[in-house]
Amino acid sequence: GESVGLHLPTLSVQEGDNSIINCAYSNSASDYFIWYKQESGKGPQFIIDIRSNMDKRQGQRVTVLLNKTVKHLSLQIAATQPGDSAVYFCAEKGYQAGTALIFGKGTTLSVSS
Amino acid sequence: NAGVTQTPKFRVLKTGQSMTLLCAQDMNHEYMYWYRQDPGMGLRLIHYSVGEGTTAKGEVPDGYNVSRLKKQNFLLGLESAAPSQTSVYFCASSYSTDRDRYNQPQHFGDGTRLSIL
Repeated sequence: GESVGLHLPTLSVQEGDNSIINCAYSNSASDYFIWYKQESGKGPQFIIDIRSNMDKRQGQRVTVLLNKTVKHLSLQIAATQPGDSAVYFCAEKGYQAGTALIFGKGTTLSVSS
Repeated sequence: NAGVTQTPKFRVLKTGQSMTLLCAQDMNHEYMYWYRQDPGMGLRLIHYSVGEGTTAKGEVPDGYNVSRLKKQNFLLGLESAAPSQTSVYFCASSYSTDRDRYNQPQHFGDGTRLSIL
């Protein structure tokens, strides 16, 4: 079956460091991937997405890398700030209209100053 | 622009009681979704809707019903609540994948925390 997982449940970094959060997915037919950030008591907040015809996409301080050969997705956060502390989820989606996202279990990022 | 609004934010029920969770979005999105989130797990899809008047089952639909009578609203009902339905429920919405033939990100509300005793 389909599953999306993350390599590490927790990640601790110092303020100013770069953070890398990894995710492995199992469904080679998935063609759309999203990273979400979830703060305590809040809903998931969209960070960045990438389609399967790309291998890299950059946003503001964030970069998503997609390696379809090994079915691996990563989120890089530059100059990590205390406000980046949250749970980060990767999610995958097939091409079918209306099909929902399949979420991984999340990585908790803790940023210390 | 409120985005996705869920009501209520918190609720405590007794086993066997019924209730309806309301989700409203003001982004004119065609698609809407209901997820549940349990400790240590990602979000799991309960039901979803690709348009007004249409609904479909997700990964964990048992014990829930939904209705999409208006494009902007998606209701989740529990007819006879069970302790196993204690969870945080999230609603999400997105544009149709037909918009530009690609998938669109889903936007989430802040959740309803439901406890069933």
